[in-house]
Amino acid sequence: KNQVEQSPQSLIILEGKNCTLQCNYTVSPFSNLRWYKQDTGRGPVSLTIMTFSENTKSNGRYTATLDADTKQSSLHITASQLSDSASYICVVSESWGSSNTGKLIFGQGTTLQVKP
Amino acid sequence: NAGVTQTPKFRILKIGQSMTLQCTQDMNHNYMYWYRQDPGMGLKLIYYSVGAGITDKGEVPNGYNVSRSTTEDFPLRLELAAPSQTSVYFCASSLRDRGIGPLHFGNGTRLTVT
Repeated sequence: KNQVEQSPQSLIILEGKNCTLQCNYTVSPFSNLRWYKQDTGRGPVSLTIMTFSENTKSNGRYTATLDADTKQSSLHITASQLSDSASYICVVSESWGSSNTGKLIFGQGTTLQVKP
Repeated sequence: NAGVTQTPKFRILKIGQSMTLQCTQDMNHNYMYWYRQDPGMGLKLIYYSVGAGITDKGEVPNGYNVSRSTTEDFPLRLELAAPSQTSVYFCASSLRDRGIGPLHFGNGTRLTVT
């Protein structure tokens, strides 16, 4: 069964510190992996999309890594800010065949709280 | 650009009532989607559309209906509300197929069925 598992479920860090969120997946065949940020009461916003051949992708203070061999990804947040408090969702896309559109499998999210 | 706009933001329904969740986008995206988000679970696809006049079922379509008469609008209809439909509903759109490009989400409708 195709699954996306994120850890930890929740995390509290102090402002200015770094943190790393994990995503393990069993999706096959694999097309790409995305990270979204979801603020409380808002819809998810795309941070990065990585294909099979990409190991690292950055978006400001957010850096995502992908190891397609071990089927793991991480999202590293540098010098955290209060505005980083949100849920971070890992999403994996199955490769799409000739008759299907791509299927997305969402993780359950990691809730990050940044305290002053 | 407003992006993807959903209305209402909140709604409480009684069991058996009906309602329509509205979604409109101003990015001229052909692809549009409805997802539901339940606590502790990943988003699940309800219905999607690849263009005006074309809709298809997602993973959890039972109890819902959609229509796509224009590129901009993609309303979701609940005919006979049930407590299991209590959830947060997100509409999204994309320029390319969801398997390829990023989705742009609205800010959601929180629905409670009692």
